Formats: sequence, C-alpha cells, structure tokens
Amino acid sequence: QVQLVESGGGVVQPGRSLRLSCVVSGFTFSTYGMHWVRQAPGKGLDWVATIWYDGTKQYYADSVKGRFTVSRDNSKNTLFLQMNSLRVEDTAVYYCARGLQHPAYWGPGTLVTVSS
Amino acid sequence: SYELTQPLSVSVALGQTATITCGGDNIGSNSVHWYQQKPGQAPVLVIYTDTKRPSEIPERFAGSNSGNTATLTIYRVQAEDEADYYCHVWDSSTVVFGGGTKLTVL
Repeated sequence: QVQLVESGGGVVQPGRSLRLSCVVSGFTFSTYGMHWVRQAPGKGLDWVATIWYDGTKQYYADSVKGRFTVSRDNSKNTLFLQMNSLRVEDTAVYYCARGLQHPAYWGPGTLVTVSS
Repeated sequence: SYELTQPLSVSVALGQTATITCGGDNIGSNSVHWYQQKPGQAPVLVIYTDTKRPSEIPERFAGSNSGNTATLTIYRVQAEDEADYYCHVWDSSTVVFGGGTKLTVL
C-alpha cells in the first residue's frame, strides 16, 4: 500500500537549519510530482514547495523562497526539504503529499518548532 | 496571487445537507479539489477535479464548480463528517488552499 513517512522535525532556534525527509513506498516514486505542505498550530493548510517527478522543476511559496530547497532522490524513494534561516513563523506540522494536481496521499506529518 | 475564500464555519443538523463554498476569481475555469481534515490527522481527498469522488469516499459527498464559486455538498450528514474542509487549486506552478471551513454537526 502507498505510504509516506516524514521525519527530521524537532525544536530549532531561529536562524538555524533543519532538513526534513519523506520516505515513500508502495508506488513508483520517480513518476510522481510531490508537494510539501505545512500547517501551523490551529491554522489552515499552507503550501510550501513542489517538485516535479524528475526533479527538474521546483516551485516555492513566496514565504519560503530563498530559504527552503526541495529536492528528491528517486533511487532512494526519498523527498527532502532543506530549511535554512528558520523563523518563528515556520513553526508547523510539515506534510509531504503525492501527486501534483490533487495529492491523494499524505504522510502523517512531522512537527517543526522554531523557538529560542 | 490567487485567493480562495471559504466561510469559517458551517453548522448542520444530523441527517441534513451541508453546503461549503469556495470563492475565487473565475474559479470555474480551474479544477477544484476538496480535502477533509480531522483533528490530529492528515488531510483526506474527498473530491477532485470539481466533481469526482475517490472510490473510498461515500456517495454523500458531491462537488460542483461554476463562475466564481465552487461548492462541496454533503448529503445526509453523519456525525463522522464533522471536520475541517479545504478547497484547493493547482495551476501548474502554484498551489492555493482556501482558509478552511469547520463543519459542525448538531
């Protein structure tokens, strides 16, 4: 069955970096575009970044552009989100999701807390 | 940037019909998708491409999209339908979510 599992979250100070991973199984990862979507505590869904199936194109929300980088390793069925210069407002649960137009599969999420 | 507007909350009596709207400029020219999210859980796709329903989603869930408004309709609302609902549009380079609607079942 299709599975996505995020990891790498934790507590980090403002200005520091964190790298999230999303390991997938149950489908051919190299044929699907992927998203990162986050959700701040008590708030709605907030798109972060998108990467095409082959990694050739990436798109970012304005709020993270220049600070976050999405990448993937299709040989390891893994999606990444490198987060630099973290801010308090980046505190959220981060989800990876499969499929570009209407992601039908999501991971359970990993919590990132940015706090001094 | 494109914006999607949803009511903050909708209340409906058990067994009645719930209607959740998603407003956007000429949203009828986009494909709209809907997600259900319960507390502590990841979102679940309930309607995609305006009107299509994943096989595991009950037939009580229906969608429509025209003009400046997309609509999620839930017929014969059950207690387990109480959740947050988000509309979503993907335009090939940007993902936009509505602010979400909390559905309360009375």
